[in-house]
Amino acid sequence: EAGVTQSPTHLIKTRGQQATLRCSPISGHTSVYWYQQALGLGLQFLLWYDEGEERNRGNFPPRFSGRQFPNYSSELNVNALELEDSALYLCASSLAGTSGMGEQFFGPGTRLTVL
Amino acid sequence: AQSVTQLDSQVPVFEEAPVELRCNYSSSVSVYLFWYVQYPNQGLQLLLKYLSGSTLVKGINGFEAEFNKSQTSFHLRKPSVHISDTAEYFCAVSGQGAQKLVFGQGTRLTINP
Repeated sequence: EAGVTQSPTHLIKTRGQQATLRCSPISGHTSVYWYQQALGLGLQFLLWYDEGEERNRGNFPPRFSGRQFPNYSSELNVNALELEDSALYLCASSLAGTSGMGEQFFGPGTRLTVL
Repeated sequence: AQSVTQLDSQVPVFEEAPVELRCNYSSSVSVYLFWYVQYPNQGLQLLLKYLSGSTLVKGINGFEAEFNKSQTSFHLRKPSVHISDTAEYFCAVSGQGAQKLVFGQGTRLTINP
């Protein structure tokens, strides 16, 4: 069974540009989560999507946004990139609701570098 | 709201020695607890999880953890480590139901030959 996949593996942008990161969940999983792992800041929750709706959002500015498609894949968009957005962005998926028992399965991540 | 504290940022040990990585959490509701491992330049891999039931949880690669509700701890242990265990280890908590994971700051485990 294929795991969570993310693309691209690496992404290099300059300040002010936009970045789009993509994630495909494990088959049968309807919840997708995004996390940012920045140097010195640890793993921070960004967004949670389930059944196409944004269910929860971490403490990030509105220029971090995303969406979930009917096939449950997801996109994370970061507008007006700043240097401090450089980080590893991890996507995770889980079964919906309490059937997920909280367990999330992670992809390999997209490393975003902002120059 | 939940929070997680990993008491050691770095733990150096010799190969074949035992190791314990400490994790304390706080929460006003019942929680699920997890340990994840991150090898260099990779994503997170689940080591083990506590959902309910037996407080001693066994995971992959010979790791185990014990849930202690009175001390709000979930320490990770391995009786004999190998060079291949060199990685960063994250303790995480979530409220029951499909909610976000709250992670500790991570503990870097370094195995010396």
